This record gives sequence, structure tokens and C-alpha cells, in this order.
Amino acid sequence: QKEVEQNSGPLSVPEGAIASLNCTYSDRVSQSFFWYRQYSGKSPELIMSIYSNGDKEDGRFTAQLNKASQYVSLLIRDSQPSDSATYLCAGVDSNYQLIWGAGTKLIIKP
Amino acid sequence: IAGITQAPTSQILAAGRRMTLRCTQDMRHNAMYWYRQDLGLGLRLIHYSNTAGTTGKGEVPDGYSVSRANTDDFPLTLASAVPSQTSVYFCASSEQGEPYNEQFFGPGTRLTVL
Repeated sequence: QKEVEQNSGPLSVPEGAIASLNCTYSDRVSQSFFWYRQYSGKSPELIMSIYSNGDKEDGRFTAQLNKASQYVSLLIRDSQPSDSATYLCAGVDSNYQLIWGAGTKLIIKP
Repeated sequence: IAGITQAPTSQILAAGRRMTLRCTQDMRHNAMYWYRQDLGLGLRLIHYSNTAGTTGKGEVPDGYSVSRANTDDFPLTLASAVPSQTSVYFCASSEQGEPYNEQFFGPGTRLTVL
């Protein structure tokens, strides 16, 4: 198992709907996580960080962390075509470095 | 300069040649990082530096070297390029060398080794 795993997608969601992106992690990854967004041909940018079990909301974005099940998710409400991008999940490993998932490509259909 | 710059934007290189990718930041961040991004594998850390004068190895350091002579610059050198080093290379920086600090990325360098 990869330390941080994501479904590569693409995940296709109609405009205005909720997009749900998931990430699972191994025991070697600690329970602090980050979601980055990467537009095609561009560099990643931070959207959300979550350190505690439960939900964290920021505008249309909600990050959810479930330590017992070892997964972290990102919900995007009222999805817009501009949300179409690849979303990268990253966790902190035992060497105190970020370990990245391969990313999920999200497509918002108008 | 605003943020992080990388040069060149792209490069085609013959195998066996030496190549230095440049990275400069103007945010006075202490920590800097070099990643490579390959399809299906995500970002992998090559080398990092938590502060000027110090460097460390990441997940995939073989074939690469770095130096951090000052706060702003963090060049990555491929001593003798091989085709498996074909990738997109991102330089990043953060205020401190802790993973909880947001990392800011440069625009990337697309490198092809033939």
C-alpha cells in the first residue's frame, strides 16, 4: 500500500453539485493532512489543512479527517467549472516530511 | 521577483550531460524543497533545506545534489543526466522547515533527458 493513496479519477461532477474527493493513508503517515489544488500545467497551491479528527470548513470547502478509518476527504459544495483541477492530498511521515498522493483529477461539467 | 522563480522553464538534455536547475525565492523563507512530479506517482521530495547552509535528502535523492549558500537560492544539479530523470521539477519554500507550514511552489521546470 502507498503511504498516501488517492483515486486518480477523473471524477466528473455536474456544476452546482457536491464534489467528494477521498484519500487514504498508511500507519507510517501521521494524522496531519493537507489538500492542494493543481491546475493543468501549473504548480500546486494549498486549499485546506486539517490536524484534528472531524470536519473543518472554509467557504465552499470542507475537509474531513477520520483517524479510525485512516481516511481524509475534501468536499466542494456548489461546484464550479473553475474547480476543475487535480487535487493532491499530503500527509506528514515519520521523517517529518510531506508525503503526497498522486492526485485526483476533478472535472466539473457545466 | 514575486514569490518563487525557476529557470529554465523547460529543457531537453542529452543523457550524460550535467544540468543545474535554478530556484530563487524573495519571501525570505527559511525552508526550501525540490520535488519531481511524474504521472501516476505524484510529488516526490528530492532534497530539502531547512535553513541556509544546511541540506537534507528526501525520498528520491540519488543522481541529484543541492546547495544552499544563502536564503534565497536553492539550485538542483544533475551531475550526469539519465532518461529516468525526465520529469517536471518543482521548487517550493515555506516559512519554516516544518511540514505544517504552507509550501509555496514555483512554476516548475519540464526536463526531458534523451
